[in-house]
Amino acid sequence: EVQLVQSGAEVKKPGESLKISCKISGYNFSRYWIGWVRQLPGKGLEWMGIIYPDDSDTRYSPSFQGQITISADKSISTAYLQWSSLKASDTAMYYCARIKGLTAMLGLDYWGQGILLTVSS
Amino acid sequence: DIQMTQSPSSVSASVGDRVTITCRASQGINDWLAWYQQKPGKAPKLLIYAASSLQSGVPSRFSGSGSGTDFTLTISSLQPEDFATYYCQQSNSFPLTFGGGTKVEI
Repeated sequence: EVQLVQSGAEVKKPGESLKISCKISGYNFSRYWIGWVRQLPGKGLEWMGIIYPDDSDTRYSPSFQGQITISADKSISTAYLQWSSLKASDTAMYYCARIKGLTAMLGLDYWGQGILLTVSS
Repeated sequence: DIQMTQSPSSVSASVGDRVTITCRASQGINDWLAWYQQKPGKAPKLLIYAASSLQSGVPSRFSGSGSGTDFTLTISSLQPEDFATYYCQQSNSFPLTFGGGTKVEI
């Protein structure tokens, strides 16, 4: 059974750093793209970026380029999303999701449960 | 970036109704379009990929059509569990982009 299990909710202060995780099981982690999606409170879905764990090929949305870092550790089948300096505007739900198929073209077929990040002074 | 525009932003419907949601891309995306359903407090769920392919386990009352720039998601007979928000997403080119969402409500 394919599972994406994300780390727990976070409460941080502006300026702090954070790395959240997405632990994958049930398939060959290295061979499928993993994406990160943001959802601001009461708003729609925003694609942040994706990574191909086998070679760490990473693509960022221009809206998030330079603001986040996406990485993966094949040895423990885990993908990561990190910030070096959080802002209040980063308060949102963050989802990891697997891209269906061996290219990046068929949609996100398995999703993590989401991580609620609250950034407040 | 390719912009995805959904319409309507919300629709009121009743159980048994046929519901159609439209998604328009700002440039051609072949048939690299997916549709998702999201219920409050839950992660999105993939319904349709490659514009018209039904994801495994999704009821056949959901269907997708279109190619190029104009796409539709149709729910042939709305069920109580279908009240949710629906999103389209293009994967023809990076950055991948989502539509703004359509809320289907009573």
